[in-house]
Amino acid sequence: QKEVEQDPGPLSVPEGAIVSLNCTYSNSAFQYFMWYRQYSRKGPELLMYTYSSGNKEDGRFTAQVDKSSKYISLFIRDSQPSDSATYLCAMSVGLTGGGNKLTFGTGTQLKVEL
Amino acid sequence: EPEVTQTPSHQVTQMGQEVILRCVPISNHLYFYWYRQILGQKVEFLVSFYNNEISEKSEIFDDQFSVERPDGSNFTLKIRSTKLEDSAMYFCASRDTGGLQYFGAGTRLSVL
Repeated sequence: QKEVEQDPGPLSVPEGAIVSLNCTYSNSAFQYFMWYRQYSRKGPELLMYTYSSGNKEDGRFTAQVDKSSKYISLFIRDSQPSDSATYLCAMSVGLTGGGNKLTFGTGTQLKVEL
Repeated sequence: EPEVTQTPSHQVTQMGQEVILRCVPISNHLYFYWYRQILGQKVEFLVSFYNNEISEKSEIFDDQFSVERPDGSNFTLKIRSTKLEDSAMYFCASRDTGGLQYFGAGTRLSVL
């Protein structure tokens, strides 16, 4: 079983739609969960992070973590063509202190069409 | 806004040659990382670095790889004898005091 699984897509939605992106994971030691956005041939750009279970909202973006199900989600409201990118989930056991490498999903390619 | 800077953006090399990929982390960050992304695959952790030594490394980071902070600003990844399978995007990241990692735009390494 892969440590982090993410549907690669592609996911195509009309402008204004609500987008739901998801990851599952197997390592129950993961405590910190991030979402990165990656445009073609660019580096990952940090969008949001959450600690343990719960919701976090930032503008049009909402991140959810359900540790009991080992399932995380990113919702994008009122999606725009500029949201078209690959969305990567990433997670780590710790955040500060030594190491704390990120383990990434494969990324979901999102296209928001006019 | 401060950012992680990587050079070159694209490096082409012959198999067996040594390459050095360079990174300038965000100035007040103390932890640095290298990740790689083979085309079509996920971003993979290579190594983390703090206080002039390796904190953690993956099984990918074998004896062909080394990292160094040669001065107060640069952080480098050296691959001693490149193989075809080293062709990938290499990303440098640095971590803020809150633990969040910020990535550079990457260096695309092409080994011929």
